[in-house]
Amino acid sequence: LAKTTQPISMDSYEGQEVNITCSHNNIATNDYITWYQQFPSQGPRFIIQGYKTKVTNEVASLFIPADRKSSTLSLPRVSLSDTAVYYCLVGGSSMDTGRRALTFGSGTRLQVQP
Amino acid sequence: SAVISQKPSRDICQRGTSLTIQCQVDSQVTMMFWYRQQPGQSLTLIATANQGSEATYESGFVIDKFPISRPNLTFSTLTVSNMSPEDSSIYLCSAQTGTYGYTFGSGTRLTVV
Repeated sequence: LAKTTQPISMDSYEGQEVNITCSHNNIATNDYITWYQQFPSQGPRFIIQGYKTKVTNEVASLFIPADRKSSTLSLPRVSLSDTAVYYCLVGGSSMDTGRRALTFGSGTRLQVQP
Repeated sequence: SAVISQKPSRDICQRGTSLTIQCQVDSQVTMMFWYRQQPGQSLTLIATANQGSEATYESGFVIDKFPISRPNLTFSTLTVSNMSPEDSSIYLCSAQTGTYGYTFGSGTRLTVV
């Protein structure tokens, strides 16, 4: 599984856009990039997944350059409730049968200030 | 999306005792996964549980310490045996419950005194 590197922590203010970049130089051809969010006292929650270019949903956008060696999770206009740890994961595919566990890196602790 | 119910949500246990954590998924899943998360740390995989066969443990985790049951496709238990204060942690279960994306239980916060 490809190793991922992301900043340990980030600070932001309410209403700002937050971009969290993850490096995954050894990503394999079949690997997808998935981001999870974890609030205190809760399990991680799926945010978004992509393979290349840009993916957007109601929560976030995911930007993946052509070489796919990095990806950027973009959170528009963050609020205090976006304070959480964000994990970048690489591996599997969107059609994975669920037979492989997720491997978590250290994650990025995002603190949103008022 | 599917829901995974995990219980207990927290417990305080005496050293030397055992605690069994239960996870119930509201749909059938092939694999269930058990993780441990130390305070302020990332998740570490303990084992993978497949229905009808013995669980597969990651390096550093053994069956005698963390026995796992998987009696059917919607349920699994993890037992933390002969507990010591070093076992104090959050334990989480997980499974893939959709086309992509894994669902996690809310975790069991264990304190061993």
